[in-house]
Amino acid sequence: DVVMTQSPLSLPVTLGQPASISCRSSQSLVHSDGNTYLNWFQQRPGQSPRRLIYKVSNRDSGVPDRFSGSGSGTDFTLKISRVEAEDVGVYYCMQNTHWPRTFGQGTKVEIK
Amino acid sequence: VQLVQSGAEVKKPGASVNVSCKASGYTFTASYIHWVRQAPGQGLEWMGWINPKSGGTNYAQKFQGRVTMTRDTSISTAYMELSRLRSDDTAVYYCARTGDLDYWGQGTLVTVSS
Repeated sequence: DVVMTQSPLSLPVTLGQPASISCRSSQSLVHSDGNTYLNWFQQRPGQSPRRLIYKVSNRDSGVPDRFSGSGSGTDFTLKISRVEAEDVGVYYCMQNTHWPRTFGQGTKVEIK
Repeated sequence: VQLVQSGAEVKKPGASVNVSCKASGYTFTASYIHWVRQAPGQGLEWMGWINPKSGGTNYAQKFQGRVTMTRDTSISTAYMELSRLRSDDTAVYYCARTGDLDYWGQGTLVTVSS
């Protein structure tokens, strides 16, 4: 199975400051169809996960533009340009290029 | 799009549990339904999918032989049955739509305890 490794696992941030989460895969996530199936999810406390980003950099409808995704191959990043209080939660990357789809361990974002 | 799951369950070890996921707001047979679980304080674990149109399924190796995913197209509902429950099956079970998991249900807590 493809191993997804996130860092850091805990990320204390100051309101209004940027935050960055890394996600590395044990194999390239480029599919034979040319797409890279790497998604990011946000899970606020007590809520279901919510998809933020799909195929590396495509923001879902309703997701604030302070969230952005980037990367290629095996190295991916989720950035929050200016953290707000509502961004507190756990963020997961997930690949579905290879079977079975696998998730990163999660990165907990909290306010300092 | 909405996915509404059945309520919390408490089961004894060795029993089975059946969780439902009722879809609305889109054509049920047009998108796969996936099941993902989350043990208390832990991360997300993919269990498998069902194709509502054909009934075809694909299960993670870890759950093969213990999980059965079915659907009833007449009521736009998918089901996930997990058998031979153990204490480490205690988790919140989510259904989610499509391969990219674009919409999620609210989750169903399954507690396995003697």
